Amino acid sequence: KNQVEQSPQSLIILEGKNCTLQCNYTVSPFSNLRWYKQDTGRGPVSLTIMTFSENTKSNGRYTATLDADTKQSSLHITASQLSDSASYICVVSAVGSYIPTFGRGTSLIVHP
Amino acid sequence: KAGVTQTPRYLIKTRGQQVTLSCSPISGHRSVSWYQQTPGQGLQFLFEYFSETQRNKGNFPGRFSGRQFSNSRSEMNVSTLELGDSALYLCASSLAADEQFFGPGTRLTVL
Repeated sequence: KNQVEQSPQSLIILEGKNCTLQCNYTVSPFSNLRWYKQDTGRGPVSLTIMTFSENTKSNGRYTATLDADTKQSSLHITASQLSDSASYICVVSAVGSYIPTFGRGTSLIVHP
Repeated sequence: KAGVTQTPRYLIKTRGQQVTLSCSPISGHRSVSWYQQTPGQGLQFLFEYFSETQRNKGNFPGRFSGRQFSNSRSEMNVSTLELGDSALYLCASSLAADEQFFGPGTRLTVL
């Protein structure tokens, strides 16, 4: 069964600090992995997408890594800002499928 | 290019009523998927439409139905609303099998 597990479930950090969110998956055959940012009450917005051959992808202060061998991904946020407070969702797609598998997300709160 | 749009953005209904939500995909996208999102459950897949045909369906009761029109716009209908149907309903459109673009969602509250 395809599954995506994210940790931690929630995280509180101080503004300016760095943090790393984790994602483990069992989706097969693997096509790609996306990290989404979802502000409260809004739709998810894509941050990064990585395919099997990519192991690092950056988008400003967001850097995602992928280890396809261990089926793990991480999202690193550098110099956090108050606007980073949101839910971060890891989404993994299988080859040929229009229905990706979603993690339950990590809720990040950045305090001033 | 305009993004995915959903209407209405907010909706309040009472138990037993029915509701219809609308989604307009990105121009050229033929696949439209619907998701229910509740606190603690994450995104739950409802169904996916492609070229006016339901191609995939999640594990939701028959009260949840949908359709897609020839212009790829999609509607989702929930009949006999229950309190537990209160959620954020998200629509996502796709051009290819490996990427989805989400709309802002419709917040449904059932009283």
